[in-house]
Amino acid sequence: GAVVSQHPSWVICKSGTSVKIECRSLDFQATTMFWYRQFPKQSLMLMATSNEGSKATYEQGVEKDKFLINHASLTLSTLTVTSAHPEDSSFYICSGHLAGGTDTQYFGPGTRLTVL
Amino acid sequence: KQEVTQIPAALSVPEGENLVLNCSFTDSAIYNLQWFRQDPGKGLTSLLLIQSSQREQTSGRLNASLDKSSGRSTLYIAASQPGDSATYLCAVPGAGSYQLTFGKGTKLSVIP
Repeated sequence: GAVVSQHPSWVICKSGTSVKIECRSLDFQATTMFWYRQFPKQSLMLMATSNEGSKATYEQGVEKDKFLINHASLTLSTLTVTSAHPEDSSFYICSGHLAGGTDTQYFGPGTRLTVL
Repeated sequence: KQEVTQIPAALSVPEGENLVLNCSFTDSAIYNLQWFRQDPGKGLTSLLLIQSSQREQTSGRLNASLDKSSGRSTLYIAASQPGDSATYLCAVPGAGSYQLTFGKGTKLSVIP
């Protein structure tokens, strides 16, 4: 099946710094990628929808200036957490949408962010 | 707004037992429903996707059913194994979009 990778798999940073997370579709072209956030013992919450070559669409309550999303190619989307704070510590998961057929989303392995 | 509920939140069963996980959704205007597995600290693995025109899908020991009219889906796991221990999530797309709404999941523990 289609494979999505994320890098890094985990990151620890100091409060106030910025962190970039990469999401790559390895063997398919993802015109749409999604970014989710998952807090401990909670389900995945959609943060934003990223379409290649256009601005991301953010869900209500998600600050677009804090969570910068770039989807420059059909195989790469990046999420940058700017001026990170401890409350941004979470598990971030991306998915790539494979259009046609069953319209399946394929998920990356996630990135654990800890902000000290 | 679509809401997805999964019951129970946690389940512990002895190895070899058959079990059923439940998922309900409030807006029945869905075009598919997907079941995922998530291991601790890991991403999601897609298990089964049921189109709205289907009533069930099977993969190995897994069988998922869908009743759109009642807003329910079940995931049946036959002859459970310790390796089945994980959190199982169901998700449905939004109307006219591919965005998924997830339930909180059922944490399954299969005791050897």
